[in-house]
Amino acid sequence: EAQVTQNPRYLITVTGKKLTVTCSQNMNHEYMSWYRQDPGLGLRQIYYSMNVEVTDKGDVPEGYKVSRKEKRNFPLILESPSPNQTSLYFCASSSYIQGARDTEAFFGQGTRLTVV
Amino acid sequence: AQSVTQLDSQVPVFEEAPVELRCNYSSSVSVYLFWYVQYPNQGLQLLLKYLSGSTLVKGINGFEAEFNKSQTSFHLRKPSVHISDTAEYFCAVSWGGSQGNLIFGKGTKLSVKP
Repeated sequence: EAQVTQNPRYLITVTGKKLTVTCSQNMNHEYMSWYRQDPGLGLRQIYYSMNVEVTDKGDVPEGYKVSRKEKRNFPLILESPSPNQTSLYFCASSSYIQGARDTEAFFGQGTRLTVV
Repeated sequence: AQSVTQLDSQVPVFEEAPVELRCNYSSSVSVYLFWYVQYPNQGLQLLLKYLSGSTLVKGINGFEAEFNKSQTSFHLRKPSVHISDTAEYFCAVSWGGSQGNLIFGKGTKLSVKP
């Protein structure tokens, strides 16, 4: 079954304690990205990656890091979490073929993070 | 720069009534348009998409949307809603077609009442 898997689904942590949210896809997709969802703001892109070792900032990258060492994995790292990073996070993946248009983004189930 | 505006943050409607969720976009280049649905405590699921061709696009669960280039709109419609359609709906735009780089609207919460 094609899927994007995020872990953990729920996480409560304290300010300043480094954490990693994992994301893995089994569809051999080139493109992966992270979004955060906040009430009234919709989904905003944090970082994206077009392939292994290729990452770039989205609209709200401050306070986050990512890495793409393997095609299937795209972890989101919060080195020093703060309360304003309390949010619902989604990982997504899609195929990326130059010039192709009909690709679909697949989303994980989300990770609800609370920073106290 | 591309942007997406969903004009209603909440839409309450009675079961079996028609519904329209409004979405406007701005872009200086050709864009591709999508509607996603998010059920409570779930991820996002693609409802429908417009890439090219017919401006009336049909999606899953009886939803359809019409692309209007002159009005830069992509409104979502359903002629008769069910309780199970209660969810949050997101309009999104991408350029180049790949859904890897999506810009989302702020969402519309559809609440279907019996």
